[in-house]
Formats: sequence, structure tokens, C-alpha cells
Amino acid sequence: QSALTQPASMSGSPGQSITISCTGTSSDVGGYIYVSWYQQHPGKAPKLMIYEVSNRPSGVSDRFSGSRSANTASLTISGLQAEDEADYFCSSFTSSSTLVFGGGTKLTVL
Amino acid sequence: EVQLVQSGAVLKKPGESLKISCQGSGYSFTTYWIAWVRQMPGKGLEWMGIIYAGDSDTRYNPSFQGQVTMSVDKSISTAYLQWSSLKASDTAMYYCARGAGIYDFDYWGQGTQVTVSS
Repeated sequence: QSALTQPASMSGSPGQSITISCTGTSSDVGGYIYVSWYQQHPGKAPKLMIYEVSNRPSGVSDRFSGSRSANTASLTISGLQAEDEADYFCSSFTSSSTLVFGGGTKLTVL
Repeated sequence: EVQLVQSGAVLKKPGESLKISCQGSGYSFTTYWIAWVRQMPGKGLEWMGIIYAGDSDTRYNPSFQGQVTMSVDKSISTAYLQWSSLKASDTAMYYCARGAGIYDFDYWGQGTQVTVSS
């Protein structure tokens, strides 16, 4: 199972909105609602930000939202803040009944 | 408060065996899955597999099948990840994480750094 495709890096200024993409196939991202997004700050454990494509866990800011179109899922961060600077990983359930992560996107807040 | 507390960092030699742990607290341990996730230095996350704490039903990523073994001890709310013969390429941070299903993980351990070097 190949990793899902994410841009290696993205950047934005405070207050802007940014969208990170996660591209897979109909056997993973496009085939199941089980797409999640995680935020990881340096030296820290990942944190669940979005589950089942577009649901936010309790306590996660509503500046984070998720969506999907065909085989590509997206994480949008609105009103970018300095604390949003981190690595972001998507994940998806697959037709092999396994889970696959994206390669990760390093977000820099300018 | 839900917590997953992992065992401490280890330094091992190639060929040695290792078992690392992940103890859950603050929730009903046997009604959740525990996943193991590898993160090699400077790299992304890799799903190694997952085990249901209630009955030890285990699913492995084919890439890790036969390389590691997952287990649980319900009596002490602890999940384990073990290797019988470590390689230098096993050097990584290993995270455990809790899931209501096998699809997403809402609580994570702090990670266990495993270093394999002669």
C-alpha cells in the first residue's frame, strides 16, 4: 500500500487560509469515509484534528475543517496562527482493511 | 483523564530482542483498539498494525507482518510491541494510540524511542 500523496511543504501568513491536499485512490480516500487528519508539533505525539472526512473532535478549533472530492481529501485551516505551524498527516482506511498515512506536509507560518 | 503512557527510550544491539509497552488509564481499556505507529527519524507516520484490547484480535500492516508481534495484558491495561531480532533499520520513534475503531486515533502515547546500534 503506497503512502497517500501530500505536498511536502506549504506556507502562509497569519490570518490567511490554507488548504492541504491528500490524494489517494478509489481503494482508500475515495472509497471510505474513514479519512483523518493529524497535527504534529516537533518532538510531540500526533493530535487528531479531523476524523471521518469532516468531523472535528471536541476541543479542536473550528478554524480546522475537512472535505473530500473524489480521491482527494483536503484540510483547510482558516485564520492561520503561529501555533498552527506543524506537520500535518492525513490517513485513510483501505480496501485491504489496513490504514495508510500520507507522507506529511510541513506547514510554515510566515 | 485518558492517558497512554509508554515505556522509556531504549538502546539495543542488532539481533537483540525487545518488548515495549503502552499502559492505558482513565477509560475502559478492553473496549478500544490500540494501534502502533512508527516514525523513523525525520520521516512520516507508518501504521504498523492494531490490536483490540478486549479479545486480542490483531491486524498487521503487511509490511510489518512477521517482523513484530502485538499483544495485550488486560489485567494491567497494557499493550505491547515486541521484536525477536532487532535490526538497525528498526531505529525509530514508536507511538501507541487509542481508537474506538481501527480508523482514527484520539489519544496517543508520548512515544518510545528505540535505537538499534552496534
